[in-house]
Amino acid sequence: QKEVEQDPGPLSVPEGAIVSLNCTYSNSAFQYFMWYRQYSRKGPELLMYTYSSGNKEDGRFTAQVDKSSKYISLFIRDSQPSDSATYLCAMSPSGSARQLTFGSGTQLTVLP
Amino acid sequence: DTAVSQTPKYLVTQMGNDKSIKCEQNLGHDTMYWYKQDSKKFLKIMFSYNNKELIINETVPNRFSPKSPDKAHLNLHINSLELGDSAVYFCASSHLGSSYEQYFGPGTRLTVT
Repeated sequence: QKEVEQDPGPLSVPEGAIVSLNCTYSNSAFQYFMWYRQYSRKGPELLMYTYSSGNKEDGRFTAQVDKSSKYISLFIRDSQPSDSATYLCAMSPSGSARQLTFGSGTQLTVLP
Repeated sequence: DTAVSQTPKYLVTQMGNDKSIKCEQNLGHDTMYWYKQDSKKFLKIMFSYNNKELIINETVPNRFSPKSPDKAHLNLHINSLELGDSAVYFCASSHLGSSYEQYFGPGTRLTVT
């Protein structure tokens, strides 16, 4: 079993829909939870990060962490065709030299 | 201004050859990484250097040898290439204390035939 599990999709939604992307994990040491977005043939870019449990909002994006369930989510409101990409969750423990463990990514397509 | 750059962008070579990929960052970061992304988009850390010192060395065949001449550069040399080495290799950088915020290069797509 992988440390981080993520549904690979593909996920296809109409423009304007609310998108929910999720990851589960098994390592209780994870304290930092990140979402990266990767467009086709590009490198990943950090969207949001959360430390420990709770919610974080940035524009149309909301990240949620439930450490008791070992479950994290990314919500995208009013989805746009430009949101079409692969979304990778990533996690790391506290301390310096933290190694990121990535999920396998969910491919999202927002249809105009 | 390119933050993290890699060369070459594409690399097609035959089995058994030796090749190198170069990475440079102009963000002033002290930590750099090499990742391998397979055909299913799974991104896995290979190595990490902090101020030219190796700090993460995952279980990677010793045919892969990283080298950091200074903290702005991290190169990856691969000996005796195998078919299974075909993947996209990403370089990334960050501040050591903010390793959750990594900046990735555009990737090098390696195809071994």
